[in-house]
Amino acid sequence: QVQLVQSGAEVKKPGASVKVSCKVSGHTLTELSMHWVRQAPGKGLEWMGGFDPEDGERIYALKFQGRVSMTEDTSTDTAYMELSSLRSEDTAVYYCATDPAGSGLFDFWGQGTLVTVSS
Amino acid sequence: DIQMTQSPSSLSASVGDRVTITCRASQIISDYLNWYQQKPGKAPKLLIYAASSLQSGVPSRFSGSGSGTDFTLTINSLQPEDFATYYCQQSYSTPYTFGQGTKLEIK
Repeated sequence: QVQLVQSGAEVKKPGASVKVSCKVSGHTLTELSMHWVRQAPGKGLEWMGGFDPEDGERIYALKFQGRVSMTEDTSTDTAYMELSSLRSEDTAVYYCATDPAGSGLFDFWGQGTLVTVSS
Repeated sequence: DIQMTQSPSSLSASVGDRVTITCRASQIISDYLNWYQQKPGKAPKLLIYAASSLQSGVPSRFSGSGSGTDFTLTINSLQPEDFATYYCQQSYSTPYTFGQGTKLEIK
């Protein structure tokens, strides 16, 4: 059983960057395809990007390209999502989630990390 | 991008009722449609994948159907723990997109 444990809540000023971590247990990170989904307060779910095992590349939603970076440390089985040039609209809960076999669905989720962007 | 539209946006029902939530895709997505349940303050939980396949551990009162552009999630004999928000999601192509959600409330 995969378990994903994310880092704690963050408060950032506009223009800053945030890096959220997602620690994997129960499997190694190399066996998983990790994605990130966010949810603004009271709003729906928004896919940000993730790993495409078919071509071994990370794919990012166009909306976030140039501002987001998703990386992995396989030595610690930890995935990271860094979002830069933060604005108030980036205030949201950020989730990591695993995609079995690159199928585009998300079967295991982290508990979420609240990122608040405020001056 | 493929737009996913759910209806209704909210729904009131009683324990023991049968409810149906619909999801429509803006283009044909075959059966690349998944359903999630989310409770307040919690991460989403996968219920149904590939339109009609029940995720392991999910009660059999949940079922999904549809193909192409129109899909439904049905919950038979609602239980108290089923009151939550439900989202559909297409996995046909990136960017993966979700419906706006259907909030199921107790009548």
